[in-house]
Amino acid sequence: ETGVTQTPRHLVMGMTNKKSLKCEQHLGHNAMYWYKQSAKKPLELMFVYNFKEQTENNSVPSRFSPECPNSSHLFLHLHTLQPEDSALYLCASSQEVGPDTQYFGPGTRLTVL
Amino acid sequence: DAKTTQPPSMDCAEGRAANLPCNHSTISGNEYVYWYRQIHSQGPQYIIHGLKNNETNEMASLIITEDRKSSTLILPHATLRDTAVYYCIVRVPLGGATNKLIFGTGTLLAVQP
Repeated sequence: ETGVTQTPRHLVMGMTNKKSLKCEQHLGHNAMYWYKQSAKKPLELMFVYNFKEQTENNSVPSRFSPECPNSSHLFLHLHTLQPEDSALYLCASSQEVGPDTQYFGPGTRLTVL
Repeated sequence: DAKTTQPPSMDCAEGRAANLPCNHSTISGNEYVYWYRQIHSQGPQYIIHGLKNNETNEMASLIITEDRKSSTLILPHATLRDTAVYYCIVRVPLGGATNKLIFGTGTLLAVQP
């Protein structure tokens, strides 16, 4: 247990569905991250939030919409996804000062049919 | 693009030390070297990090060369549960409280009984 939880752990959705991924951190951190890991590819950073403000968007398509209502929660809203969006989606958090190591959640395995 | 290069795979006998090499010849002066590992389909697990001094914790030791162009992660007594993909990562500051981990393809360490 890293103190970062993600739900659901597995999700299957059609291309016309709308779903949301949730991440919660219990570490008192101020920064949160979304990563995508496709089969046989390195982890790719998608979004970064610092104190609820989005500070990085790595050219992610608009069908992925992040939301950070507070420093402990992060959502990734999904709509009209493509089969190539099937991947493991990972959330991480880090603190502002001192050791700002990123701690990862277990991930959500997404399959788009 | 990843700023590190690692061998794609390595084997190690159970109970022996595992030495995982990493090259990061373009690392900048304020960029840390981080090591994570990922067991199949789980979130990456933080192992250790360093800037220029050698580091040791309960999981591993990190040896960084004096010119900082390469490093070695040492697992002193590998067990079967250490079988995983090991990522050597250069952490790039983004400004403010956030940072960016640039993942490569890692080294698959297979610990043999």
